[in-house]
Amino acid sequence: GIQVEQSPPDLILQEGANSTLRCNFSDSVNNLQWFHQNPWGQLINLFYIPSGTKQNGRLSATTVATERYSLLYISSSQTTDSGVYFCAVGRGRDDKIIFGKGTRLHILP
Amino acid sequence: EAGVAQSPRYKIIEKRQSVAFWCNPISGHATLYWYQQILGQGPKLLIQFQNNGVVDDSQLPKDRFSAERLKGVDSTLKIQPAKLEDSAVYLCASSYPGGGLYGYTFGSGTRLTVV
Repeated sequence: GIQVEQSPPDLILQEGANSTLRCNFSDSVNNLQWFHQNPWGQLINLFYIPSGTKQNGRLSATTVATERYSLLYISSSQTTDSGVYFCAVGRGRDDKIIFGKGTRLHILP
Repeated sequence: EAGVAQSPRYKIIEKRQSVAFWCNPISGHATLYWYQQILGQGPKLLIQFQNNGVVDDSQLPKDRFSAERLKGVDSTLKIQPAKLEDSAVYLCASSYPGGGLYGYTFGSGTRLTVV
């Protein structure tokens, strides 16, 4: 099956800093999503981005499908950005998605 | 719109007991998923339904886990008998067909502790 690797596993930053999270995947995909899991465990869908670039406020994401990686950018971090960020991929649009192990982000006030 | 509803929120049982979790997806979402998330790991798919049919249950430990989705709406996931290693958060998610375009919506999960 598809392997998903995320880096770094942990990241501690000061409020206001910028960060880049990376997701590498082992095979062609037609479905790639970024999720944020808050400290209470709720998973929130951030982006559906099998290719290209998208932006939503302070967050943006880029997927280079031909090179099998995706990046999530967080600018001007806030303490509410803390939590775990997961990348999940699937071969088909309706196919199951496989999650990586996540990047745990802790933003210090 | 209302989100994905799950209950109970927490459950503590002894090993070898049985337990059931309930999920009500977003209205109109034909696809429903159950994921298991062990502490410190990413969610792992247990079973995927399309309406009331099973699409993928390859990761479901069928000797002890079962799931059903009656009438293509609500779903229940059952564990019988539970083992210590079943301690995890069980997440339900739903999506439209072609749901990748709209992403998944997850419920808040049921945290199961087996003692």
